[in-house]
Amino acid sequence: GENVGLHLPTLSVQEGDNSIINCAYSNSASDYFIWYKQESGKGPQFIIDIRSNMDKRQGQRVTVLLNKTVKHLSLQIAATQPGDSAVYFCAETPTSGTYKYIFGTGTRLKVLA
Amino acid sequence: EAGVAQSPRYKIIEKRQSVAFWCNPISGHATLYWYQQILGQGPKLLIQFQNNGVVDDSQLPKDRFSAERLKGVDSTLKIQPAKLEDSAVYLCASSKYRGTEAFFGQGTRLTVV
Repeated sequence: GENVGLHLPTLSVQEGDNSIINCAYSNSASDYFIWYKQESGKGPQFIIDIRSNMDKRQGQRVTVLLNKTVKHLSLQIAATQPGDSAVYFCAETPTSGTYKYIFGTGTRLKVLA
Repeated sequence: EAGVAQSPRYKIIEKRQSVAFWCNPISGHATLYWYQQILGQGPKLLIQFQNNGVVDDSQLPKDRFSAERLKGVDSTLKIQPAKLEDSAVYLCASSKYRGTEAFFGQGTRLTVV
């Protein structure tokens, strides 16, 4: 929604540099994870996902790393562009039971020209 | 492929009034979610449907919130009576199967005054 990320942690990155956004998840039973990007006034947009049988997955300019030992997820964005400015959320879900997606608190990415 | 449609985009009501939101998920998606996103926070699941059945409504304030998905397609979320703390963006999402990526609509921004 509008003004998403008003009180969220902020990562400022120079245009062209790489960005790394981190997320700690809470449920050791979670085995499916998604990164979402949310621009002001819009709903979350799917970026990339990873299942717990993988440590790393690459997409176009994005890479997700999963460390199940410490319950940590990271999103790496290569050659960050002004259009990458947004709030980024990780979401976790167990692929059993209700398959409920639980969202983290989010990180606001600001790309500096 | 059309995305998740929500209406209205914005709504302003006085406390103790009622309000309803509508969602049309992506065609063929069996799972439908309603999330509440308070300013500066990640989305919080209110209710999850699988076809026309409720899978999870553990975080839905049932004394004032209700939702239905009668024919397993469109869904409505109602608040009656509204409180000031209900001011938030209400997001609808759908996924083809449980445990796969969820796609979000643009949300309805509710302001209760």
